[in-house]
Order: sequence, then C-alpha cells, then structure tokens
Amino acid sequence: GAVVSQHPSWVICKSGTSVKIECRSLDFQATTMFWYRQFPKQSLMLMATSNEGSKATYEQGVEKDKFLINHASLTLSTLTVTSAHPEDSSFYICSARARGGSSYNEQFFGPGTRLTVL
Amino acid sequence: AQSVTQLDSQVPVFEEAPVELRCNYSSSVSVYLFWYVQYPNQGLQLLLKYLSGSTLVKGINGFEAEFNKSQTSFHLRKPSVHISDTAEYFCAVRESQGGSEKLVFGKGTKLTVNP
Repeated sequence: GAVVSQHPSWVICKSGTSVKIECRSLDFQATTMFWYRQFPKQSLMLMATSNEGSKATYEQGVEKDKFLINHASLTLSTLTVTSAHPEDSSFYICSARARGGSSYNEQFFGPGTRLTVL
Repeated sequence: AQSVTQLDSQVPVFEEAPVELRCNYSSSVSVYLFWYVQYPNQGLQLLLKYLSGSTLVKGINGFEAEFNKSQTSFHLRKPSVHISDTAEYFCAVRESQGGSEKLVFGKGTKLTVNP
C-alpha cells in the first residue's frame, strides 16, 4: 500500500521557537495533503488542506500565520509551527491523497509527530 | 456540517469474544463512512469504508460494518477478537458530493483485548 512518512516522529522545543514537520509520500505522488491535530483522548481535527503549488486552505479557527504550510512538491508538505507555545503541544498527523481520477480518493496517513513545547 | 459520535470511549473484551464498536453520525447530505485503526505510536490505517451499494461492508483483519441509513449508524463488528486487535478505533465521515474531502472523525474507541 501507499506509505506516508513524517519527520520528526517527536520533538521537544522551547517556547517561542519554531518547529518544522515534514510529511512525505514515499511511493506515490500526492496532489493533496492534509494536516490534522490530535489532542489526548480526542479525535483528529483537520487543520488545513494543502494542494501542490498553491496556498493551503485552513479550517475555521486555525491561525494561518502560526501554522505555515508549504506543499512545494508532489511528495512533500511541511507544517511549521511558528513561535510555539505550550498550548501547541499536540500530536500532528498528515495524510496524503494520491493523484487519480476516481470520484473517491483514499487518504493515506502518516505515523504522526508528537510536539512538546516547554 | 457533519458530526460523528462514538458512544464508547473504552471497550474491554476477552480474547475470542465478539465485539461491536458503535458509531453514529449526523449529516444533512449523503456521506461516505470509514473506520480507521490506530496502533500505539502509529498512523491511522483504513479498516473499511462504505461508499455505496451493499450496506454490509467487509474490511481487513476480519472486521465488518453495517451502514444503517435510518438509524444513521455504522457500527463495527468482529465475531472473535485477538490480542493484536488492541488499538484505538476511529469512525469518520465525508461528504459524498460537493467535492469536499474533509474527513470528520469521532473521538475514538479504545479496544482492549484481554487474555
């Protein structure tokens, strides 16, 4: 099956610093990637949808200036948490949708990145 | 807007027992329905999905789910569980029309299979 990787798998940073998380589709081209956030014992919440070569679409309530998303190629999307604060500590998961022509395209999920802001 | 309710946050069962994980959804439009499994420190893996057609859907690892439109439910079942089925299970919905690919997830059900 299609494989999506994330790097790093976990990161600890000081408050005020920025952290970049990478999401890669390893064996397929992903025209669309999705970024989710998962708090402990909570469901995944979609933060934004990124399409290769265009600006990301953010969900309501998600600060686009704080969570910068870049989808520069068909296999890589990055999420940068700028000026991170302890409340940004969470599990960040990406998913990727393969390029295709069907009406339904499955999203393949990465293993997630656990961010802890001290 | 869609929403998903997973009625049980935790379900403990003994090995080889049957299990049902409940999922109800609300939506003003027709939807696709999904069940995902998340093992510790891993990403989500698709168990099964309902897009159209037969309301009984069979997935991987012996799981199946039944779409009930009148009750807006999509409960997940397995007749005999294994220790290795211990994981978090998420139900999700997505609009089937309109072009939106947004998945809306339930809060998850932690299935613990005991020996």
